[in-house]
Amino acid sequence: QVTLRESGPALVKPTQTLTLTCTVSGFSLTTSGVSVSWVRQPPGKALEWLALTDWDDNTYYNSSLKTRLTISRDTSKNQVVLAMTNMDPVDTATYYCARVSGYGLMDAFDMWGQGTMVTVSA
Amino acid sequence: DIQMTQSPSSLSASVGDRVTITCRASQNISPYLNWYQQKPGTAPKLLIYGASTLQSGVPSRFSGSGSGTDFTLTISSLQPEDFATYYCQQSYSSPPSPTFGGGTKVEIK
Repeated sequence: QVTLRESGPALVKPTQTLTLTCTVSGFSLTTSGVSVSWVRQPPGKALEWLALTDWDDNTYYNSSLKTRLTISRDTSKNQVVLAMTNMDPVDTATYYCARVSGYGLMDAFDMWGQGTMVTVSA
Repeated sequence: DIQMTQSPSSLSASVGDRVTITCRASQNISPYLNWYQQKPGTAPKLLIYGASTLQSGVPSRFSGSGSGTDFTLTISSLQPEDFATYYCQQSYSSPPSPTFGGGTKVEIK
């Protein structure tokens, strides 16, 4: 059974760095064609892709947020970590991690975590 | 970046209605177009990938079509459990830079 589970603080202060962890099970982070992404959704708004790490440990970022984001993985722990610096109230959102399946599934986000709500407030 | 535009942003429909949602890309993305359903308080769920392939377990009343820059999600006979927000997403960009449409909220008439 494939699962992804996000964890991290529910509240961060402006200017702080947010660190979120995605713990996966039921698949390997090193399987060819499989990647893990972070996606966020402000309350009442659309989905926004943030970052991706692929099976070969290549990393990719949303160009508008690239300077603030770092995605990394620990294959021994089956975890993918997202760090976002200089948090602002506009970054208040539900943050999801999702598996991206390539090849036959055309890089679709085929499995998602339940999401974690992060509020940025002093 | 490739921009994705969905229309309408919301619609009201009745159970049994045929519903069509449109997604337009700012450039050719064929066939790297995926559709998701999201219900309040839950994560999105993949419905269709590659523009027209139904994800395993998704009811056959959902279908996708289109090519180039214009794509459509159709629900042939709307069911009570289909009231949700639907998003399109392109996975064409290389290096990866996926983008989502703004969403279409399907409400009960």
